[in-house]
Amino acid sequence: GAGVSQSPRYKVAKRGQDVALRCDPISGHVSLFWYQQALGQGPEFLTYFQNEAQLDKSGLPSDRFFAERPEGSVSTLKIQRTQQEDSAVYLCASSSSGNEQFFGPGTRLTVL
Amino acid sequence: QKEVEQNSGPLSVPEGAIASLNCTYSDRVSQSFFWYRQYSGKSPELIMSIYSNGDKEDGRFTAQLNKASQYVSLLIRDSQPSDSATYLCAVIGRGSTLGRLYFGRGTQLTVWP
Repeated sequence: GAGVSQSPRYKVAKRGQDVALRCDPISGHVSLFWYQQALGQGPEFLTYFQNEAQLDKSGLPSDRFFAERPEGSVSTLKIQRTQQEDSAVYLCASSSSGNEQFFGPGTRLTVL
Repeated sequence: QKEVEQNSGPLSVPEGAIASLNCTYSDRVSQSFFWYRQYSGKSPELIMSIYSNGDKEDGRFTAQLNKASQYVSLLIRDSQPSDSATYLCAVIGRGSTLGRLYFGRGTQLTVWP
């Protein structure tokens, strides 16, 4: 079956622009996670949804970051007024059990 | 201490050898452990999960968990050049952080022909 999909795969933004990153989880997976991965590092947790409820957003680095999953399926991670330090790969993962998480291909964000 | 610590390597082994990757964790995380493989420029791919003490084997891969020592390892037998990648150790949080994965920095493995 289809895995987790993310779009766009690459995004270049000028500093100060807003961006929106989309994640489409594996069908039927109730849990959805966003992670940020800097070069040479492991992924760092950003936020977690169970269905449409955002259960944990403690990893979001600032109030410029916002995530939603209004219908319990597709999720969007929005970054307002992007800064150079936001440049990273943003990974989405989904899970049916809350244990094993399966990752999408990621969105590479470059802020100039 | 970070929740998950990995020797970042790099680790280089000849084809056919056993590659041993190690990870330690703090008691701030739970007892569900995962190994992910990440090829350069790609996203992490789940290759093993282990939840109880002892060994778990899947093909050429064996995960080992020692809760008393807070230590989890991954052995790759008969290593192949296609195994060359970064291997990430991950642990599920506990309590208020239940659900999120904590990752190590990863160990870069190179298998040379």
